Amino acid sequence: EPEVTQTPSHQVTQMGQEVILRCVPISNHLYFYWYRQILGQKVEFLVSFYNNEISEKSEIFDDQFSVERPDGSNFTLKIRSTKLEDSAMYFCASNTEDWGSTGELFFGEGSRLTVL
Amino acid sequence: AQSVTQLDSHVSVSEGTPVLLRCNYSSSYSPSLFWYVQHPNKGLQLLLKYTSAATLVKGINGFEAEFKKSETSFHLTKPSAHMSDAAEYFCVVSAFLTGTASKLTFGTGTRLQVTL
Repeated sequence: EPEVTQTPSHQVTQMGQEVILRCVPISNHLYFYWYRQILGQKVEFLVSFYNNEISEKSEIFDDQFSVERPDGSNFTLKIRSTKLEDSAMYFCASNTEDWGSTGELFFGEGSRLTVL
Repeated sequence: AQSVTQLDSHVSVSEGTPVLLRCNYSSSYSPSLFWYVQHPNKGLQLLLKYTSAATLVKGINGFEAEFKKSETSFHLTKPSAHMSDAAEYFCVVSAFLTGTASKLTFGTGTRLQVTL
C-alpha cells in the first residue's frame, strides 16, 4: 500500500542551525501538508501546499519556515534558524485531487526534531 | 470556524471491557470527522472517518463511531478492549479551504490505558 515516508526519523541539532525535513508523499497526490506536535500537546497545522505554492499557513509558520517541492517527488520543510521551541514531532501529509469528498489526509510516521 | 473537544484526556479500561472515547465538534460546514490513533513513537494512523454517508461508521481493529448531529458528537467505541489498543486517540474535523486544500483540526487527544 502506498505510504508517505519521512526522513530523518530523528534529528538533533544545535539552536540556530538550519534543519531540512524531507517527505516523499504518495505519488499521485497533489496536496501536501506539514503538521507538528510539541511533546504533550496537540497536533497543529503548519502549512498546506498545492500547485507549487503555499495554500495556507498558520501563525506558527513564520519567516524562519519554508517549504518547497524541489524535484516533483520530495516535499521539504526548512527551518532556517532553529529555536528551542521548535523541538517537536513534524508530520508530513498528503492527499489526492479528490480531497473534496473526504478531506482525509495520509500521514507519514513523523520526524522528531530535538533542538539543544 | 471549527473546533473539536475531547472530553477526557485519559481513559483507563480493563482488557475485555468496552471502550468509550468522547468527542464533540463545532463546525460552520457539514463536517468530515475522523479518529486517528497514535501508538508510542509511531505516526498517525486513520481509524475511521465520517463523510456524510452512514452515521454509524466502522473502522479498523473493531472500532466504530456514531455521528450525532443533534448532539454534535462523534464518540469512538469498541465492545472489548485489547492490550494493543493502548495509545493516544485524536478526534479530528476537516474543513475545506477556499477551494484548494483541506485542513484538519485536531482535538487534544485521549490517552487510552488498558489494564489486565
